[in-house]
Amino acid sequence: SAVISQKPSRDICQRGTSLTIQCQVDSQVTMMFWYRQQPGQSLTLIATANQGSEATYESGFVIDKFPISRPNLTFSTLTVSNMSPEDSSIYLCSVWGISSYNEQFFGPGTRLTVL
Amino acid sequence: AQSVTQPDIHITVSEGASLELRCNYSYGATPYLFWYVQSPGQGLQLLLKYFSGDTLVQGIKGFEAEFKRSQSSFNLRKPSVHWSDAAEYFCAVDIAGQGAQKLVFGQGTRLTINP
Repeated sequence: SAVISQKPSRDICQRGTSLTIQCQVDSQVTMMFWYRQQPGQSLTLIATANQGSEATYESGFVIDKFPISRPNLTFSTLTVSNMSPEDSSIYLCSVWGISSYNEQFFGPGTRLTVL
Repeated sequence: AQSVTQPDIHITVSEGASLELRCNYSYGATPYLFWYVQSPGQGLQLLLKYFSGDTLVQGIKGFEAEFKRSQSSFNLRKPSVHWSDAAEYFCAVDIAGQGAQKLVFGQGTRLTINP
């Protein structure tokens, strides 16, 4: 499987500021994803982080609000920009493409509260 | 549009009782189906998955699920629940058609265990 870490694990931020979340995997992976889980809700895919190129965003999510980087095969960042209280959520990264595993492995999540 | 429906938002069962969590999907092709569990403060853990073959799949922690194409269902079962099974359970379907590359999640079912 994979060991996935996220930093920070939680944060409380002021509206109008930005927060960058890091996702680190202990092995090279083919695909990395970012999800949002709003309070009491399910997971919604934000984007697929592509190594060396621009991320692929899902409907309703834009690069200006959620810029994503993936400089190599084990690391990605998600920035939540110009935050508002509606951005309060758990943000999870996941990975796919580890050895013979055809499944997504999820990180522990980053709990963000925006005041 | 592809979707996953978990009709039960919250289920309460007594410890030792049997459990069935419902999941219905809407997807045109042969689905790749998953059940994940999310314990408080934890990331998502894969319980089991169905890609093809035997429609009854066994997972970890004593869980199993049955794929019924005619009913577009993939219900999760456990013959005897333990207090540690209290968690949020998510059904998901891959809509990329390649295994686990683009997951759509259901709304989740919160499981409470009575002692």
